[in-house]
Amino acid sequence: NAGVTQTPKFRILKIGQSMTLQCTQDMNHNYMYWYRQDPGMGLKLIYYSVGAGITDKGEVPNGYNVSRSTTEDFPLRLELAAPSQTSVYFCASSRGTGGTYGYTFGSGTRLTVV
Amino acid sequence: GDSVTQMEGPVTLSEEAFLTINCTYTATGYPSLFWYVQYPGEGLQLLLKATKADDKGSNKGFEATYRKETTSFHLEKGSVQVSDSAVYFCALSDNTDKLIFGTGTRLQVFP
Repeated sequence: NAGVTQTPKFRILKIGQSMTLQCTQDMNHNYMYWYRQDPGMGLKLIYYSVGAGITDKGEVPNGYNVSRSTTEDFPLRLELAAPSQTSVYFCASSRGTGGTYGYTFGSGTRLTVV
Repeated sequence: GDSVTQMEGPVTLSEEAFLTINCTYTATGYPSLFWYVQYPGEGLQLLLKATKADDKGSNKGFEATYRKETTSFHLEKGSVQVSDSAVYFCALSDNTDKLIFGTGTRLQVFP
């Protein structure tokens, strides 16, 4: 009963490097989301997906890319890391619209760009 | 656009004290309202929710009532414990695909 699994838990990147944050869920949820959490700023939506093959931008998509080739996986790609991307990243999933079901969150990835 | 405003933290209480964390919202339509809790080093967990006006959500001794007239969803608990120390997030959904979160309120409970 894993729920939403994120890897890695911690990562340090140098400016200009790229990486992929992995997110997988085993609940057969159609809806998946990526948020970043900055101190004192709450959660900001980066990208979301309502099903395999469908993705859309959230509030802060610049510098990120996503794909959704399967129901289970929703990786987040950083192409050219910048210090402004230092944050904690959370992946979440939902069975349906957030208003009805709420979200299940992963435990997060803490990323530092130096 | 829709938004959620929470009281600034940290909120510092002694064990067994009464807790209130204020949350107000701005939304078009009739959103569902949520409280999430984040314990240190973990992701957010759904604490309670309310889907229409005058509904009361409750869980683990926490309660919040959906007040449409004051656009509020304040979180309350009658007697807090040290284990309640966490960050609490108020959120709303207008039944589109996503939730909008407040900035979070840190609660610290001391023995």
